[in-house]
Amino acid sequence: DGGITQSPKYLFRKEGQNVTLSCEQNLNHDAMYWYRQDPGQGLRLIYYSQIVNDFQKGDIAEGYSVSREKKESFPLTVTSAQKNPTAFYLCATGRRMNTEAFFGQGTRLTVV
Amino acid sequence: GQQLNQSPQSMFIQEGEDVSMNCTSSSIFNTWLWYKQDPGEGPVLLIALYKAGELTSNGRLTAQFGITRKDSFLNISASIPSDVGIYFCAGSMNYGGSQGNLIFGKGTKLSVKP
Repeated sequence: DGGITQSPKYLFRKEGQNVTLSCEQNLNHDAMYWYRQDPGQGLRLIYYSQIVNDFQKGDIAEGYSVSREKKESFPLTVTSAQKNPTAFYLCATGRRMNTEAFFGQGTRLTVV
Repeated sequence: GQQLNQSPQSMFIQEGEDVSMNCTSSSIFNTWLWYKQDPGEGPVLLIALYKAGELTSNGRLTAQFGITRKDSFLNISASIPSDVGIYFCAGSMNYGGSQGNLIFGKGTKLSVKP
């Protein structure tokens, strides 16, 4: 089955805990992105990566961390430093930066 | 960060009606993309535009890359109930060799008229 896989679909965590969201792709795309979506806010860029072992901060990187050890994988860690972590998180990939981005199904994170 | 101005924010449709929405930017873009998002799902790419003045169709959907490169339009003809959802525009620009990121509008929410 080809495409972008985000897991899990729903995630609940207690306040103060770090949590890692998974994003895997088998499209052989170089670029990978993480976006956060809140109601009425559209999509806001957290981090992006153009190649393995390299990533850059987006507009709202504070309280988040990423790694890109393999081309296929770009996990996002939501740390306890993120003040308002409850949101819908979307991973996307592209052949390269600024070409069409393709999205996974998203992970809804709820922190209680 | 920069944002696109997408309008309208929401609209109601009756089956069979044509629908129009647009995005504008104060900056010149080299790429315009249009996505549709269903509740609880990731956005799905509908149309990609790469050239000023380009007009591209995908079934009942037609999108245009504005001639000024600062705007784009999406039209849906003869709407059907499954057209309901949120439509996002996205654009990207390059600054003299330095690549920027995709920038998204806040979305147009399409609902069915009660």
